[in-house]
Amino acid sequence: QVQLVQSGAEVRRPGASVKISCKASGYSFTDYYIYWVRQAPGQGLEWVGRLSPTGGGAKLAPKFQDRVTMARDTSSSTAYMELARLTSDDTATYYCVRGERVRGIGPFHLDPWGQGTLITVSS
Amino acid sequence: DTVLTQSPATLSLSPGEKATLSCKASQIVSSYLAWYQQRPGQAPRLLIYDASKRATGIPARFSGSGSGTDFTLTISSLEPEDSAVYYCQQRSNWPALIFGGGTKVEIK
Repeated sequence: QVQLVQSGAEVRRPGASVKISCKASGYSFTDYYIYWVRQAPGQGLEWVGRLSPTGGGAKLAPKFQDRVTMARDTSSSTAYMELARLTSDDTATYYCVRGERVRGIGPFHLDPWGQGTLITVSS
Repeated sequence: DTVLTQSPATLSLSPGEKATLSCKASQIVSSYLAWYQQRPGQAPRLLIYDASKRATGIPARFSGSGSGTDFTLTISSLEPEDSAVYYCQQRSNWPALIFGGGTKVEIK
């Protein structure tokens, strides 16, 4: 079945960086975009960015454009997200989720979701 | 930018009752609206896509409707496992995602 499995929880000091991963299985990794969405404790969902699995390019939400880097390894069907200059406001669960096809139209929804990676920023 | 407003914030109902959740957009949006269910401690999961299509494996008691600026998720007869937060989602300035603030459904 189509599945996204994310790396484990991370704890970082303010100002540090963190890189998390999302391994896809059950489909052709290069056929669909990967999205990253975060959720602060007790809060709603916030779009971080979208990764192209073919060229590796990323479209980021404006607030993350100078701090987030997205990458992929097609040989292992794995997407990565790195967040730099962490602050306590970055404490959240980060989800990867499959989006639309790279070629063709749609789907326009997000499915499936990874299990989430909790990033805790604390001094 | 488009804003999605969900109401009510919390819905407290008994098993077997009908739940009606609203998602209103600040401007006319496409019918590519999705609903997600997030149970406590779990990742969101897709319930409804393209406003009214049930995702694979979703029970028939879940239905979606609407167009333009007003969308609705209906749970026809609540089960205890439906206790969760429900989010609507649309696209804005592609590929940006926008989410509503969520409706928490509590089962009495």
